[in-house]
Amino acid sequence: QSALTQPASVSGSPGQSITISCTGTSSDVGLYNYVSWYQQHPGKAPKLMIYEVDSRPSGVSNRFSGSKSGNTASLTISGLQAEDEADYYCSSYTRTRVVFGGGTKLTVL
Amino acid sequence: QVQLVQSGAEVKKPGASVKVSCETSGYTFTDYYIHWVRQAPGQGLEWMAWINPNSGGTNYAQKFRGWVTMTTDASIKTAYMDLNRLRSDDTAVYYCVRETRSRSFDFWGQGTLVTVSS
Repeated sequence: QSALTQPASVSGSPGQSITISCTGTSSDVGLYNYVSWYQQHPGKAPKLMIYEVDSRPSGVSNRFSGSKSGNTASLTISGLQAEDEADYYCSSYTRTRVVFGGGTKLTVL
Repeated sequence: QVQLVQSGAEVKKPGASVKVSCETSGYTFTDYYIHWVRQAPGQGLEWMAWINPNSGGTNYAQKFRGWVTMTTDASIKTAYMDLNRLRSDDTAVYYCVRETRSRSFDFWGQGTLVTVSS
């Protein structure tokens, strides 16, 4: 059961926008709209940032947005801030399993 | 407020077993599935299994079938994970998480570090 594919790292300067991709297959990302994104700071538990492809939980900044096209989902962070520096994971929920991406380290330059 | 509080860190020898608990509060325990997710040092998140606290039904990722067991005790709103025949590569932080209606994980336990070393 392969993990979803994410870039190992991305970077951007404060104020810029970045996008993190998450590629799965027609059996997970492409078939279901249960794609979520999580932010994890060092030593902390992950935090839900996006659910059902493009919905934000209460309290999450509107600088975070999600989308999906075919087998690839994306997380965009606009107006980068220093506190956005973290690891980001996507996940896909199917009828029989949950699969995570390998994670992307975001560096704010 | 919703909380998931896990048991403390464990150090085990290879071949041993460990039981991690996850005590919940702030919501109706039987209304939400509980999942277990682990993270090896410096690595990504790995989904292990889910359990339906209402029915006791479970679903395990293929690699965990046969040596990991999830249970719940609804009377004390607590979920448990038993790992058997531990190996050194089972060293990881283990998280219990609550699944939302939208099939995402909104609340996470603080994590339990299980170290397997001879």
